[in-house]
Order: sequence, then structure tokens, then C-alpha cells
Amino acid sequence: EAGVAQSPRYKIIEKRQSVAFWCNPISGHATLYWYQQILGQGPKLLIQFQNNGVVDDSQLPKDRFSAERLKGVDSTLKIQPAKLEDSAVYLCASSLVPGTDTQYFGPGTRLTVL
Amino acid sequence: RKEVEQDPGPFNVPEGATVAFNCTYSNSASQSFFWYRQDCRKEPKLLMSVYSSGNEDGRFTAQLNRASQYISLLIRDSKLSDSATYLCVVNSAGNNRKLIWGLGTSLAVNP
Repeated sequence: EAGVAQSPRYKIIEKRQSVAFWCNPISGHATLYWYQQILGQGPKLLIQFQNNGVVDDSQLPKDRFSAERLKGVDSTLKIQPAKLEDSAVYLCASSLVPGTDTQYFGPGTRLTVL
Repeated sequence: RKEVEQDPGPFNVPEGATVAFNCTYSNSASQSFFWYRQDCRKEPKLLMSVYSSGNEDGRFTAQLNRASQYISLLIRDSKLSDSATYLCVVNSAGNNRKLIWGLGTSLAVNP
């Protein structure tokens, strides 16, 4: 079974530039999550989708971050413009059932903002 | 009080030792509990779900104490390969079933 795919794996940009990350969840998983993980901390949920609808985006900095999952399958997370404090690993995860089921993570995208 | 709290460690133990981590949670209505393991520069992976009756998987034992609102993870006969960060995850018990992640406990098993 194919796992969660993410690209790119690494990205280096300068502050005020834009960046986009892509995620393809495990086939059949209706729930998709984007997390931000800063070095030394646990993952912080940015946004949770159930199919193509947003379930929770309470911790998404909406002035600069946006995410979409138009067809209920793959998803894109965008940062525009990036700040130094956005340097982190961005993890995508998926699960069959939200909240009570195992989350499967992709390898993450390591973003460095200079 | 944070929703999910863990001792960040690091815990440094010799091979063969037994080590235990606790994780406290604030929402008494939480229903689902998990331990995830994260190796350095890797993604988190599910280690164990935590059931009310407790559960064991080889050298790993997870327990839930609802009265005191904490879960625990016990690792027996530690191996070098157990060195990782162990993340406690608790569901929010709300309608959106959001999972709340702890900051993780770092374990280093030394030869």
C-alpha cells in the first residue's frame, strides 16, 4: 500500500517569497491534516480536511497561509509571504476516520526561510 | 494547564533498563489516546493506541488512568534502537475530533 506522498522534500526561500507544498494521502482516506513542526516541538495542527471540507483551521495563520483540497484527494498548502519563523517541517497526514483512527504521515517538507 | 503535557526529558538510560513516561491531559471527556514515536528528522509513526484496559506489545506497555487523567508508556529491556522522541496524543472529544499533540519526551538509550 502506498503511503502519504509529499513534495518537495526540502525548500529554501527568502523571507517575503511564496512557497507551496503538495500532499497526496493514502487512497481512500477521507481525512487529511497539515501540521507544522518546529524543531524540538510536537506537531501543531494547521488545518484538517474531511473530504474537501475544512473541519478545523483554528491554528492556521490565515493572513499568510492557505490550503485547499478541491477534489477531496490531494491537497496544497501555501505560504505567502513567508516569514523567518515559518522555518519548520510541514507534515501531511491522513486517516480513515478523524480523531479515533491512526494517522499516517508523509515524510514532510523541510522549509528554511532566510 | 496545557491540554496535553509531557516531561520533555531527555531521559538517558543504559541498555536493558526499564523506563516509563507519563502524559497528563486536561479534558476529562477525551476518549482516544495514542503514543507515537518520532525518530530524528523523520515523521511520527504510531507506536500504540491506549485502551482503557491497558495494552501490551512486546516490550511496550501502555496504560490509561482516567481518574488522574494521564496515560503512561513503559519500555522494558531498552534497546539502542528505542532512542527517539515519544509523542502523546489525545483527542479533544469535541465534534471535530481534533487530536492534541504533546511536545514529546526524548529518550536516549546508551550502550
